[in-house]
Amino acid sequence: DQQVKQNSPSLSVQEGRISILNCDYTNSMFDYFLWYKKYPAEGPTFLISISSIKDKNEDGRFTVFLNKSAKHLSLHIVPSQPGDSAVYFCAASAWGSSNTGKLIFGQGTTLQVKP
Amino acid sequence: DAGVIQSPRHEVTEMGQEVTLRCKPISGHDYLFWYRQTMMRGLELLIYFNNNVPIDDSGMPEDRFSAKMPNASFSTLKIQPSEPRDSAVYFCASSLGWGLEPYEQYFGPGTRLTVT
Repeated sequence: DQQVKQNSPSLSVQEGRISILNCDYTNSMFDYFLWYKKYPAEGPTFLISISSIKDKNEDGRFTVFLNKSAKHLSLHIVPSQPGDSAVYFCAASAWGSSNTGKLIFGQGTTLQVKP
Repeated sequence: DAGVIQSPRHEVTEMGQEVTLRCKPISGHDYLFWYRQTMMRGLELLIYFNNNVPIDDSGMPEDRFSAKMPNASFSTLKIQPSEPRDSAVYFCASSLGWGLEPYEQYFGPGTRLTVT
């Protein structure tokens, strides 16, 4: 059973517009969430994270929003750039309760930003 | 630092053969993770080690899969015998672990395994 789900396999947006990538989770013990970005033929790289004590974390063009009651998080990229075209993975951890940094990843969403 | 190093980058083998994937973590990192990426399931954690000791292998799909970490700078993931459904990209990652919050995991470039 997928505990972390990214229901949109792909997303296409125009350069300069906002990209919104969504992620849902089922395990209420998850208390730390991360987004990783992956280019072809490379390993995923860390992008941004958020703790469950917050509902928003911002880093430059990237903002992650967390809605604990809905068990939903989203990644906003504003403005989107062609270099943002990649696969984005959502990940979750129950580190506070289990004292483990084990990450559960979603299936990934492929973002294409068109010039 | 060179980052996490994985070898080989590509592996093509026939069903029934033994496959060994190799990983060198970042020096000083005491956690090592093995993942498998497929289209259907995304990134799945197979097993992770802390200070060379396997902590959680609940993601290892079958007894055909085994992993070892004989020292802090080397780990292997072995599949014996291999099957076509094992075809995927296998990633190794390492991290410092966690303190006030989980530390970032650094991924290697992956090994693309094709079993025919």
